[in-house]
Amino acid sequence: DIVMTQSPDSLAVSLGERATVNCKSSQSVLYSSNNKNYLAWYQQKPGQPPKLLINWASTRESGVPDRFSGSGSGTDFTLTISSLQAEDVAVYYCQQYYSTPYTFGQGTKLEIK
Amino acid sequence: QVQLVESGGGLVKPGGSLRLSCAGSGFTFSDHYMSWIRQAPGKGLEWVSYISSGGVTIHNADSMKGRFTISRDNAKNSLYLQMNSLRAGDTAVYYCARVKGYGSSDAFDIWGQGTMVTVSS
Repeated sequence: DIVMTQSPDSLAVSLGERATVNCKSSQSVLYSSNNKNYLAWYQQKPGQPPKLLINWASTRESGVPDRFSGSGSGTDFTLTISSLQAEDVAVYYCQQYYSTPYTFGQGTKLEIK
Repeated sequence: QVQLVESGGGLVKPGGSLRLSCAGSGFTFSDHYMSWIRQAPGKGLEWVSYISSGGVTIHNADSMKGRFTISRDNAKNSLYLQMNSLRAGDTAVYYCARVKGYGSSDAFDIWGQGTMVTVSS
C-alpha cells in the first residue's frame, strides 16, 4: 500500500499570510506513460464532507479560489494557500489514486494565528 | 444540481449487518465509477471500495474484504454498500463519492453528506 504522510499535523497562520502543507508518498505516484501525478488535495470543514480542491497534483477544481495551488511530482507534494482567509480554516488531506487501496494522508489542521 | 444522498446508517450490534444506499442526481450516474469512503469519529479518511461504471469491476480495501460488498443499480441511479459481521472499529461516517473522470483513477469530485454507522452493544 502507498503510505501518504502529511506535515505538519497542525498549522497556525495569520490572516493574509501564506500557508504551506506538505505531503509525501511512500512510492512515486507519477505515471510515466502520461506524465501525470495521481494526487489530489481536499478541504474538510467541521460537519461537512471533504471538498476536492486540486487533482493531478496541480489542477485546481472549478470554482476553487486561485489562492490555492498545488505543486510537486513523484513523491513530494505541496498545497499552498497564498493569502490565508478566515474561511480557509479546515483540515486538509492529500490522497493518491495511483493504485488501490487509494490512501489519504492523516490530515493537516489549519487554524488562524 | 449534482448531488449524492446517502441513507441507511444507524446503530447496530457487533456481528450485525447494515445496507447503505446512495442516490445520485444531476449527472449521468452510469458514466462514473463510484466509491465508498469512511471516517471514524475525529479521525481521517479511509477508502473502502470502488465499483466501475457498469458494475463489473470492484476493488475493496483489505480490511473490509469478505465483509463489505459494493454494488450499484444504474437504472435507479443508486449505489449500495452491504456491510456484514460489523465490528466496533467500523463505526464511522460513510460517504459515497463520485470518481471525477470516466475511469477508476481520478479524484473524488462529488461527495454525499455521509451517513453515520455506529456499532455498539
